[in-house]
Amino acid sequence: SSELTQDPAVSVALGQTVRITCQGDSLRTYNASWYQQKPGQAPALVIYGKNNRPSGIPDRFSGSSSGNTASLTITGAQAEDEADYYCNSRDSSGNHPFGGGTKLTVL
Amino acid sequence: QLQLQESGPGLVKPSETLSLTCAVSGGSISSSTYYWGWIRQPPGKGLEWIGSIYYSGNSYYNPSLKSRVTISVDTSKNQFSLKLNSVTAADTAVYYCARGLYFEWYIDYWGQGTLVTVSS
Repeated sequence: SSELTQDPAVSVALGQTVRITCQGDSLRTYNASWYQQKPGQAPALVIYGKNNRPSGIPDRFSGSSSGNTASLTITGAQAEDEADYYCNSRDSSGNHPFGGGTKLTVL
Repeated sequence: QLQLQESGPGLVKPSETLSLTCAVSGGSISSSTYYWGWIRQPPGKGLEWIGSIYYSGNSYYNPSLKSRVTISVDTSKNQFSLKLNSVTAADTAVYYCARGLYFEWYIDYWGQGTLVTVSS
């Protein structure tokens, strides 16, 4: 199956750590990438590969993977991190499905 | 700095064909390093991968849309296109074009997105 599953919503207290997960069979073979989307904006890459950040992404964002689960961790969440987060990967058929998205609320 | 710009009608009638173009500037669409794709987002909902096309010319489409979708590349104009046939109101969405890294399989550049409404 090429489906990727995410929790619909997660909340975190300001300055605390939060982990957003993505599950799918394809993640046993292919790395997940993670995208942040704020209202009215196009998505933006925050994590790719094993655990790589594009230029300009704060180091409080990190990625990890185990088995069929990929995780995005924000260590010391800030108010500006409140957004929707999507995982994406490739499967063996050449599809590139997205997870359903996780709405992160910073309290 | 690479830029992607979607263009096309903002309003399409039911049963007709949605056609969008993505103009690529600041980089070549012919590079074997990248693939090119379309993603959409219905109002208030999540991202949905529509399809991708590789340098080799191979294209891959979301199985749920495969019968209605065609993605093509025009190297002479440095642009790629999306055609979605037999549209319904369910195809109303913001459509994004994007560039991905071949073998790394992540999207590094997105267009700003264009809203396409399907309505009579």
